[in-house]
Amino acid sequence: DAGVIQSPRHEVTEMGQEVTLRCKPISGHNSLFWYRQTMMRGLELLIYFNNNVPIDDSGMPEDRFSAKMPNASFSTLKIQPSEPRDSAVYFCASSLTGGGNTIYFGEGSWLTVV
Amino acid sequence: GENVEQHPSTLSVQEGDSAVIKCTYSDSASNYFPWYKQELGKRPQLIIDIRSNVGEKKDQRIAVTLNKTAKHFSLHITETQPEDSAVYFCAASKVTGGGNKLTFGTGTQLKVEL
Repeated sequence: DAGVIQSPRHEVTEMGQEVTLRCKPISGHNSLFWYRQTMMRGLELLIYFNNNVPIDDSGMPEDRFSAKMPNASFSTLKIQPSEPRDSAVYFCASSLTGGGNTIYFGEGSWLTVV
Repeated sequence: GENVEQHPSTLSVQEGDSAVIKCTYSDSASNYFPWYKQELGKRPQLIIDIRSNVGEKKDQRIAVTLNKTAKHFSLHITETQPEDSAVYFCAASKVTGGGNKLTFGTGTQLKVEL
């Protein structure tokens, strides 16, 4: 398997612009997670889905952030409008509930908002 | 919610020495404790995990111990090598049928010196 696939790998955007990050989980996995990593706050869970349904979005920082999972093989994290403090690495991860529960991370999307 | 504390934040050892990283968790219902290694610019990768029904687990030079009563767990790396230099994260979660929400510690920067 190719693992968790994220795009774009790097994005530089101007403040106020919309940013969309994409994720394809490992085939057969039924849980998907969006994490944000910064030096100040470490690895934070933003939201996670189980069987395409959002289970916990308590980590989503504010209304500017939204996430969707329209099917088992695709998810998006959208920031609108973006702000410089959103600059971070955004990791998507997936796991198979009941199948060892190991969470596998994608390579990350490196976002810079200027 | 779960809170995971990790110490030390930085650790420097000589090649061949042992390294120990310690974590505590707050939720007594947590039952899954993985450790991730993250090299600079890369994604976190699972190196070992332990479940609450086990007190110790080993995999070559890496071992993890769990004390459920005290709610702490530790990572032990023996015969350290330069390639062990990385940031190590502990995590805790309560695995349920609805998913596996990992809460991460703040990370330990391990440096193995020649």
